[in-house]
Amino acid sequence: FMLTQPHSVSESPGKTVTISCTRSSGSIDNNYVQWYQQRPGSSPTTVIYEDNQRPSGVPDRFSGSIDSSSNSASLTISGLKTDDEADYYCQSYDSSNQVFGGGTKLTVL
Amino acid sequence: QVQLQESGPGLVMPSQTLSLTCTVSGGSITSGDYYWSWIRQPPGKGLEWIGYISYSGSSYYNPSLTSRITISLDTSKNQFSLRLNSMTATDTALYYCAGVGGLDLNWFDPWGQGTLVIVSS
Repeated sequence: FMLTQPHSVSESPGKTVTISCTRSSGSIDNNYVQWYQQRPGSSPTTVIYEDNQRPSGVPDRFSGSIDSSSNSASLTISGLKTDDEADYYCQSYDSSNQVFGGGTKLTVL
Repeated sequence: QVQLQESGPGLVMPSQTLSLTCTVSGGSITSGDYYWSWIRQPPGKGLEWIGYISYSGSSYYNPSLTSRITISLDTSKNQFSLRLNSMTATDTALYYCAGVGGLDLNWFDPWGQGTLVIVSS
């Protein structure tokens, strides 16, 4: 299966942005979805795990959700800061494979 | 807190075999808390899962790469390793090792800093 993300999104500081991740086959709610943030030159770090859980240290401006009707997951970032500018990847799995989405470049301008 | 560090050659000749090692600190690779994974990222591109190995030594590979991969544990050194044979230019990438945890061991965290591998003669 594949996970499809928009290539890029942009929004202004203080606003809210939502990044989608659509699963091509298999039900999105059968397997957990994770979201990773990757700043230039750095390793990915988790912002959301198990659909909607935040690791300690990740602000509550970051939230995750699942929509069974569209077979997709979403990452929502509210109160955007310039520091949120990064690439964001969703990730999920099935019985035989781990799959990352293609990544979304978030620009905060 | 578990930390990971990749090591290996930065340059590999075409058709040769890549060998990378990931050293785990802050916890035992046989503790049962994590699987141990390799992920790669070609320059300017997205993330690709290569495979992982369980704390008991069972390995699981990306179906598109399975014929070329071996992932193994070295419990005496608290390390795990990747061997990828028949390297070509398309294997040029930043290679990351990561722990895989969570309720059903499918959450990639933490990650190493990555090591760049270039395939070139």
